[in-house]
Amino acid sequence: AQRVTQPEKLLSVFKGAPVELKCNYSYSGSPELFWYVQYSRQRLQLLLRHISRESIKGFTADLNKGETSFHLKKPFAQEEDSAMYYCALTPSGTYKYIFGTGTRLKVLA
Amino acid sequence: ETGVTQSPTHLIKTRGQQVTLRCSSQSGHNTVSWYQQALGQGPQFIFQYYREEENGRGNFPPRFSGLQFPNYSSELNVNALELDDSALYLCASNFGGGGSGNEQFFGPGTRLTVL
Repeated sequence: AQRVTQPEKLLSVFKGAPVELKCNYSYSGSPELFWYVQYSRQRLQLLLRHISRESIKGFTADLNKGETSFHLKKPFAQEEDSAMYYCALTPSGTYKYIFGTGTRLKVLA
Repeated sequence: ETGVTQSPTHLIKTRGQQVTLRCSSQSGHNTVSWYQQALGQGPQFIFQYYREEENGRGNFPPRFSGLQFPNYSSELNVNALELDDSALYLCASNFGGGGSGNEQFFGPGTRLTVL
């Protein structure tokens, strides 16, 4: 079965500390993986996708096919990073996102 | 450029009733997807419409149905409402149909409460 697991519902870190939001997936083929973010009172929006290999707002995510993971990392958290983060998978050649349950990141001053 | 809009914002219905939710896609987008997000859960894919045709469906019963219009706006219809249908319903649009790598742009959602 195709599944995305985000084991942490809530992650609290202090400002300036490193952040890692975990995402594991279950899919036998080559997935496309994304991180979406929802800031308070805003709509869900794309943060980054693995095919772009980009860094957005200091966040990076590396696809590890051996561990079937796509963890989101940032070396120094900022208060404005506080938000809900969702990892999502698109099975290759298909039309839908499969979302994880999300992790709420709280960056404390 | 106009973003994805959804109406209404909130809706309260009783069990057994029918509901229609509406979505206007972002300018230039020809594909609309609908998701159901229950409290504390991630969005669950309901179905997608591309150029007025259903382009794929998730694990939702037939009482969830949809339409896409020539201007690419879309409706989600739910018949015989059940208490478990209470959720936030999200609409997302993109250009070019489904498939890997397509960023979807989300609307603000419609909060449906079934009593």
